Amino acid sequence: AQSVTQPDIHITVSEGASLELRCNYSYGATPYLFWYVQSPGQGLQLLLKYFSGDTLVQGIKGFEAEFKRSQSSFNLRKPSVHWSDAAEYFCAVGQRTGRRALTFGSGTRLQVQP
Amino acid sequence: DAGVIQSPRHEVTEMGQEVTLRCKPISGHDYLFWYRQTMMRGLELLIYFNNNVPIDDSGMPEDRFSAKMPNASFSTLKIQPSEPRDSAVYFCASSPRPGSGSYNEQFFGPGTRLTVL
Repeated sequence: AQSVTQPDIHITVSEGASLELRCNYSYGATPYLFWYVQSPGQGLQLLLKYFSGDTLVQGIKGFEAEFKRSQSSFNLRKPSVHWSDAAEYFCAVGQRTGRRALTFGSGTRLQVQP
Repeated sequence: DAGVIQSPRHEVTEMGQEVTLRCKPISGHDYLFWYRQTMMRGLELLIYFNNNVPIDDSGMPEDRFSAKMPNASFSTLKIQPSEPRDSAVYFCASSPRPGSGSYNEQFFGPGTRLTVL
């Protein structure tokens, strides 16, 4: 069975600083990988996805993520954080065949200090 | 595109009452998912449908919960009778069929915040 670990429950960064949110997955093959963002009182919004090819993927709002097969990781990065990035971030993994459901991590809450 | 539509956005009810949550997926999407989100348990998959047929309901907590999808544009999640521990945010999500430029990504609705007193 696949699983996703987001080791950081809560992260605080200063506005303008760089950000990296960690995600590790467990899956027998190369999965589809996703990052979602949830602002307070909102649903989950897709930031970016990896399915094949270039291991560095670009998303919306200036985010990027890098797939590292050797480390089973898909970390999310942003070079300069804005106050509006304060939210909860979820990493998710999906299978390439068969079961269509995604497995989500437990989330990382990002706080941005002025 | 209107996105996934859920109603109501907020529901407050008393223990023992029946609750019905509604979802309209994105037009043309073949998959529909129901999730529950709580502080304690995070985001949990309850059930998902493919072409209106339930595929996996192993996440449904107990017999008090039921879900239906009578057609491609509408689904309901019903709780009868409701209990205080059912208080949570319930999300509906939809996903296109494989091979149509889709890679299992899901598109979420805004959620229904349910409070059972």
